[in-house]
Amino acid sequence: DAKTTQPNSMESNEEEPVHLPCNHSTISGTDYIHWYRQLPSQGPEYVIHGLTSNVNNRMASLAIAEDRKSSTLILHRATLRDAAVYYCILRDTGNQFYFGTGTSLTVIP
Amino acid sequence: NAGVMQNPRHLVRRRGQEARLRCSPMKGHSHVYWYRQLPEEGLKFMVYLQKENIIDESGMPKERFSAEFPKEGPSILRIQQVVRGDSAAYFCASSPRQGTYNSPLHFGNGTRLTVT
Repeated sequence: DAKTTQPNSMESNEEEPVHLPCNHSTISGTDYIHWYRQLPSQGPEYVIHGLTSNVNNRMASLAIAEDRKSSTLILHRATLRDAAVYYCILRDTGNQFYFGTGTSLTVIP
Repeated sequence: NAGVMQNPRHLVRRRGQEARLRCSPMKGHSHVYWYRQLPEEGLKFMVYLQKENIIDESGMPKERFSAEFPKEGPSILRIQQVVRGDSAAYFCASSPRQGTYNSPLHFGNGTRLTVT
């Protein structure tokens, strides 16, 4: 079901930037790229989304490749509270968000 | 997450019993999604509902599972004659309206069903 590919796990040192990659080679022109994260024992939390242009918000930045076949979620300064599973998702004009297995981010103090 | 309310937070059922999971979407949201998450796995789409309508149930098992979103009250996911394989976390999400596919989903904190 999932249309995206992410590394299973990544590590980062606290207060350093983190770049979480996502490949979506079959993306269509109307697919938005969404990122969610899930902390232990909680529901997924929206992080950021975009279509073509790079996006910034208070939580993160989203860098989208020119051909849109990949994107990168950037956490500018990782904190221990950023340790979570990060999901890269495509959403089209249909009804479903396709969640893959995500990237489990470990933040090392 | 606080906006979407799910209850109960934990539910224990014996094999063969019925499980009823409730979801109250965020205020002003008329679209509800249900997802299931097995231990150590990602979220799997189950069903998408609007008020009084099932829009997409392609992820829902054909037997024992049903969902509704009545005009008044919460959305209900019902599992009849539960089996151990139904043990999972069930998440509900809501969104404002169809067509705004660039708008995010808002998730609840889930109901953790344990079948003994």
